[in-house]
Amino acid sequence: DQQVKQNSPSLSVQEGRISILNCDYTNSMFDYFLWYKKYPAEGPTFLISISSIKDKNEDGRFTVFLNKSAKHLSLHIVPSQPGDSAVYFCAASAFYNFNKFYFGSGTKLNVKP
Amino acid sequence: GAVVSQHPSWVICKSGTSVKIECRSLDFQATTMFWYRQFPKQSLMLMATSNEGSKATYEQGVEKDKFLINHASLTLSTLTVTSAHPEDSSFYICSARAGQANTGELFFGEGSRLTVL
Repeated sequence: DQQVKQNSPSLSVQEGRISILNCDYTNSMFDYFLWYKKYPAEGPTFLISISSIKDKNEDGRFTVFLNKSAKHLSLHIVPSQPGDSAVYFCAASAFYNFNKFYFGSGTKLNVKP
Repeated sequence: GAVVSQHPSWVICKSGTSVKIECRSLDFQATTMFWYRQFPKQSLMLMATSNEGSKATYEQGVEKDKFLINHASLTLSTLTVTSAHPEDSSFYICSARAGQANTGELFFGEGSRLTVL
């Protein structure tokens, strides 16, 4: 039973436009969320995080929004750049076992020049 | 940022042989490291939590005798796939947390692609 889901396997966006990647979760105990970026043949690299006490966290071009009532989070990238083309994973952990992260299946973002 | 390195990055072996994958934290000490497995187009699945100086904690469904984990030092954890079979072919990734607090940030290795013939 997958507790973190990314229902869009791929997304294509024009350079300069906004990219919106979505993630849904089922476990109401999740209180910490992360987004990772992964290039082919490389390990994931951390992008941005958000805890459940917030509903928005911003870092440069990246903003993560958390809607706890809908159990939904999203990553906004604006403006999108070709170098952003990668697979993006969302992950979540619960306060009672913060070392254990559950990952979504990833969304492959293609930013076209 | 903190660096986690895996070796080898790519390994091909014959069915029935054992393969060892190393995960090193290069510039920080990690009391806890994590091993994941990723099948094509699927999410990273946590296999086990590796604790320095003690036994690893395996996730449900992961065979302890099949996937041996040793965390001998604060900078090194190893995953040994014993008697590998073609169905063990996968991408294996380790991660480690820098620091003790729940910062949430995990640093990942580059991953090791195992192909069992």
